[in-house]
Amino acid sequence: GQQLNQSPQSMFIQEGEDVSMNCTSSSIFNTWLWYKQDPGEGPVLLIALYKAGELTSNGRLTAQFGITRKDSFLNISASIPSDVGIYFCAGQHNAGNNRKLIWGLGTSLAVNP
Amino acid sequence: DGGITQSPKYLFRKEGQNVTLSCEQNLNHDAMYWYRQDPGQGLRLIYYSQIVNDFQKGDIAEGYSVSREKKESFPLTVTSAQKNPTAFYLCASSINTGTDTQYFGPGTRLTVL
Repeated sequence: GQQLNQSPQSMFIQEGEDVSMNCTSSSIFNTWLWYKQDPGEGPVLLIALYKAGELTSNGRLTAQFGITRKDSFLNISASIPSDVGIYFCAGQHNAGNNRKLIWGLGTSLAVNP
Repeated sequence: DGGITQSPKYLFRKEGQNVTLSCEQNLNHDAMYWYRQDPGQGLRLIYYSQIVNDFQKGDIAEGYSVSREKKESFPLTVTSAQKNPTAFYLCASSINTGTDTQYFGPGTRLTVL
């Protein structure tokens, strides 16, 4: 199936640093979603984006829906140890009855205290 | 509390045996999904259901079967025909409107010996 290009694949940063990751697609999406997954748990929704150009924050997290509708980025400011995990982007076409999400392969984040 | 439950958390089976994974939600969501996750990979869609008594194959449906007899429940059977069944299985649900967000259960780790 189709997949998104998510980068970077992994990051190792110092506590307090800012983090940026992004997803790109060859096709247009109507919805972009960002999830975080802790080891051995299900993904938890962080931010949902529904409109091109939309910029949405959730605490220290900020995500944007690209104007071309083919990309999205997630920023984490002032990282802390509990930010460790895998971050996934997902896009949705919302065409007709197609509710399927297209997933990136994830960005693994490690934070050094 | 509203949410999605999956049981059990860990499941062991002998090769050649069918096994059924449970997924229940009390969010009153119409749509439910099953994903498979392998180490270092993203989420791959197995089956999904947008309404009771109806379901569609995802990207990797071979060797799996599902039923949707009740809105709250969407069990997944991993059959002996699935060649590599050891994986982390995630269930999700969504309201099933035009702009849709999926919410995940805690997952079941299946190990076939």
